[in-house]
This record gives sequence, C-alpha cells and structure tokens, in this order.
Amino acid sequence: DAKTTQPPSMDCAEGRAANLPCNHSTISGNEYVYWYRQIHSQGPQYIIHGLKNNETNEMASLIITEDRKSSTLILPHATLRDTAVYYCIVNNAGNMLTFGGGTRLMVKP
Amino acid sequence: GAVVSQHPSWVICKSGTSVKIECRSLDFQATTMFWYRQFPKQSLMLMATSNEGSKATYEQGVEKDKFLINHASLTLSTLTVTSAHPEDSSFYICSARDQRTVSNQPQHFGDGTRLSIL
Repeated sequence: DAKTTQPPSMDCAEGRAANLPCNHSTISGNEYVYWYRQIHSQGPQYIIHGLKNNETNEMASLIITEDRKSSTLILPHATLRDTAVYYCIVNNAGNMLTFGGGTRLMVKP
Repeated sequence: GAVVSQHPSWVICKSGTSVKIECRSLDFQATTMFWYRQFPKQSLMLMATSNEGSKATYEQGVEKDKFLINHASLTLSTLTVTSAHPEDSSFYICSARDQRTVSNQPQHFGDGTRLSIL
C-alpha cells in the first residue's frame, strides 16, 4: 500500500471548519483513500473514503486532488467531540490497513 | 451500519495466565478479520490476519505460539494471549469487513480490549 504523510498535530476552534491534509504521492490507480479517526481509548471509527471524486457524508467531506496525490478531510463545523487522531490510509480495497502516525486534532473552545 | 464487537473491553490478570479476546461481527459475515495491537502514544500495528476455516497469517515478529488465533465461524474470531507477561500489556483491536459488499467498502473496528498484565 502507498505511504501517506500527515501533519502530526493541528488545532481548530470550535464551530470552525477543520481541514486535515494528507499527502499520498505514490498512490496507485486502484487504491482508495480512507479516513478513520480514533478517540482516546477507543477503536478507530470509519469516516469516509473515495477513489478520485470528492465525497461527502454526514460526518465529513473528502476532497481528492485531480492527480490523486493528496487529499483533504473537511469537518465543516468542528465540535469538542471531534478531538481525536485522524488517520489517512491508502488501501487496495479489502486488505488490511496500514496505519501511520495520523494527525492529532485538538478542537478548542 | 456494520458493527464489530469485542469482549472483554478491559482485563487485568497476573503474569503467566492466558487471556482470550473475542471479536464478533454482529450483522454481517467476515471470512477475514484483522488483529492489531497499539502501545501507548503509538499507532496501530497489524499483528495477524484471521482466516475463517484456516490458519491465521502472522506479521513478521509476532509469535504465533504466543498469540493464538481461531476463526471458527463467519462471525467470530478469537485471540488468545498465552502465558501473558507485563510486556504483553497493550490495547488489542480487531477489524472486519462485510464480505457481501463491494470490495472498496471500509473495515470496521471493535472498541478494543485493554490488557494489563501485573
């Protein structure tokens, strides 16, 4: 699976949009971009995934660049409960997931 | 959506005992489940791939005789930490994917089991 690069930490004000970047410049054509988050002492929670088109669900939006070498996860109105470690994973569907260091998002009042 | 349940969520036991952790897919079948381990302030590391009806596949450096995996049905995989020692204390997490859906559908994770060996 392709490797991803994420900033180790980010802060966001409560109520503002949180934009979490991910670089995956070695992604191959059949690999999807998945986003998970892990709140302290819990298992990872699936957020969203995409191949090349932008995606949106009730939790977040995923913006993938045209060359697919990077993506951004957007939490439109961050709340304190969104404080977590966010993992961007590139995966060839159905296989085990390889977790990097992720981005520790701190939402502040 | 797909739900994966782990039990127990927390266990403390004495050094030398064996501990069994269960991972169940509650509303779907999974021929493959994955077991991860997470040490404090670190990311998840894959330990092994559990395959229904056949032997598990272990990652390099993971002792298969110490971490016994059984995947006897399409909804249950178990991880047994045998003769556990303090260095085995960790957060163990399983994941699975609904086999009936298209292959790009995501893995879903259990809530993890925190194991503390005294």
